Amino acid sequence: RKEVEQDPGPFNVPEGATVAFNCTYSNSASQSFFWYRQDCRKEPKLLMSVYSSGNEDGRFTAQLNRASQYISLLIRDSKLSDSATYLCVVSSYKLIFGSGTRLLVRP
Amino acid sequence: GAGVSQSPSNKVTEKGKDVELRCDPISGHTALYWYRQSLGQGLEFLIYFQGNSAPDKSGLPSDRFSAERTGGSVSTLTIQRTQQEDSAVYLCASSLEGARGTGELFFGEGSRLTVL
Repeated sequence: RKEVEQDPGPFNVPEGATVAFNCTYSNSASQSFFWYRQDCRKEPKLLMSVYSSGNEDGRFTAQLNRASQYISLLIRDSKLSDSATYLCVVSSYKLIFGSGTRLLVRP
Repeated sequence: GAGVSQSPSNKVTEKGKDVELRCDPISGHTALYWYRQSLGQGLEFLIYFQGNSAPDKSGLPSDRFSAERTGGSVSTLTIQRTQQEDSAVYLCASSLEGARGTGELFFGEGSRLTVL
């Protein structure tokens, strides 16, 4: 079983839609959680950290459920520029990446 | 520039040859990671250096792979007797505090390795 699992997608949604991704992790000792974004043929970049209480950054909301060991990312009012691969990242002491969920936002 | 620098950006080699990939992290960053990404796949963890601690080599796929970090700065990933399945983009990343910090890894643009 992979340490971090994500639905690969693609999620194909119209502009303005709300879309949610989930990610599960296997290491119950994990302490830090993040979402990264990777554009095609580019390096990954940090989108946001994920806190136990849940956190929001503009149109993006991240949540953590430690009991069920999953993390979610919600994107509201999708823009064309949101099209990318979203990588779930989990850390106990080193950062382990999921395989990513691909999002396509169409006009 | 002030970012993570990797070289070469592209490397084409013949099966059986050795290759060296170099990473120059952001100055002052104590943590350095190597990941591998095959086409359309996620990032596969290879190795993690944190300060003066012994590196975590648990992700290296075989004993043909090795890495070192000299003086807590530049790192070299060496692949001996390359195989076609080694073809991938090798990404290096550094961070200020390691995983217990903000978790913000700064990635280089990667070294694309093609083994013929």
